[in-house]
Amino acid sequence: GAGVSQSPSNKVTEKGKDVELRCDPISGHTALYWYRQSLGQGLEFLIYFQGNSAPDKSGLPSDRFSAERTGGSVSTLTIQRTQQEDSAVYLCASSLAYNSPLHFGNGTRLTVT
Amino acid sequence: AQTVTQSQPEMSVQEAETVTLSCTYDTSENNYYLFWYKQPPSRQMILVIRQEAYKQQNATENRFSVNFQKAAKSFSLKISDSQLGDTAMYFCAFMKHGGSQGNLIFGKGTKLSVKP
Repeated sequence: GAGVSQSPSNKVTEKGKDVELRCDPISGHTALYWYRQSLGQGLEFLIYFQGNSAPDKSGLPSDRFSAERTGGSVSTLTIQRTQQEDSAVYLCASSLAYNSPLHFGNGTRLTVT
Repeated sequence: AQTVTQSQPEMSVQEAETVTLSCTYDTSENNYYLFWYKQPPSRQMILVIRQEAYKQQNATENRFSVNFQKAAKSFSLKISDSQLGDTAMYFCAFMKHGGSQGNLIFGKGTKLSVKP
């Protein structure tokens, strides 16, 4: 079946603009995660959705970052008033349940100029 | 707080040879999980192998095996019979028992190049 799909694959935006990144998880996966990978770094946890529970937002770096997951499926990560330090690859992953292995998408490379 | 350290930013190996990637971690937890993920140029993170800390036996998956030294807090990955498709970034990761995958703590990665 289809894997985790992320769009766009690449996004270039000007400093100060808002951007939306989309993630389509694998059908039936109840858990969805967003990570940020800055150049030369490992993955940094941003936010976690599990079913209908309130999301774990503990990794969001500032209030410019927010995410939604509609209908327990598609998720959108929004970054408002982008800054150059927001430039990174944003990876989405989903898993069947709370502690199941992660399935990652190919990420969105965000470049803020 | 837990930390994961990968001391080799880059490594290279000849095709068909064996290479070992190092990972050390720091934790006060007694029960936890350790992972190795592979990230090829496609950027998709792929789980290579997983080890549960309470299991003494080293995990193995085909050409991939680990050397888990709990007392030393060391978790190295051995790739045997290296193939060109093994060229990728490799990340070591830690998760405490009872945590979600979102609590994974990653090292900074090792860039592995397999040369023909």
